[in-house]
Amino acid sequence: NAGVTQTPKFQVLKTGQSMTLQCAQDMNHNSMYWYRQDPGMGLRLIYYSASEGTTDKGEVPNGYNVSRLNKREFSLRLESAAPSQTSVYFCAVHRAGTGGAGANVLTFGAGSRLTVL
Amino acid sequence: AQSVTQPDIHITVSEGASLELRCNYSYGATPYLFWYVQSPGQGLQLLLKYFSGDTLVQGIKGFEAEFKRSQSSFNLRKPSVHWSDAAEYFCAVGAMGGTSYGKLTFGQGTILTVHP
Repeated sequence: NAGVTQTPKFQVLKTGQSMTLQCAQDMNHNSMYWYRQDPGMGLRLIYYSASEGTTDKGEVPNGYNVSRLNKREFSLRLESAAPSQTSVYFCAVHRAGTGGAGANVLTFGAGSRLTVL
Repeated sequence: AQSVTQPDIHITVSEGASLELRCNYSYGATPYLFWYVQSPGQGLQLLLKYFSGDTLVQGIKGFEAEFKRSQSSFNLRKPSVHWSDAAEYFCAVGAMGGTSYGKLTFGQGTILTVHP
């Protein structure tokens, strides 16, 4: 997971509370992504950002907002947390390219485990 | 819409035995296919990818996968499993172009247990 740092690693919230998950990369890549992982469902895309200042919805965006203020950082915000948002959240960055083992693949952070009571 | 199915939720093998994890996908165009591995409490690590060309791709840690268009499958194999291979494995499909490379659809995952 070198190059993609997520904070916090663990968080417990009460229903209705808000919080922001932070993601920072030192890989100088343009595209960044937020996924959530739930048992038996694999990973699902929440939001993504093609470049600084742009964001787009993924498969499951409801209840979330994102912010891409600069190239390094992509944050995910829960304005009013719900128990259904209990999950493990992964940030990922995409390295564009035309060849090589690392081209056009996602590099994931270590994850942020969120529990909403 | 694209989809990925991993039919086996949990597989148990003995150390030294061969392994095959199944993955079936649904995608209208040429798929970009990936296998990722996740150790407990960790993020996902790329094992291998298929974009085009040779349908048998080699990855890290001795894994390989074969793309079979006629069967819409991309099964992962390893000739001899080591105890350290115990983890959860995810198959994923993506599309070509820009951010589409990172907009992956993942399967449900297969948990691999290795007995000594």
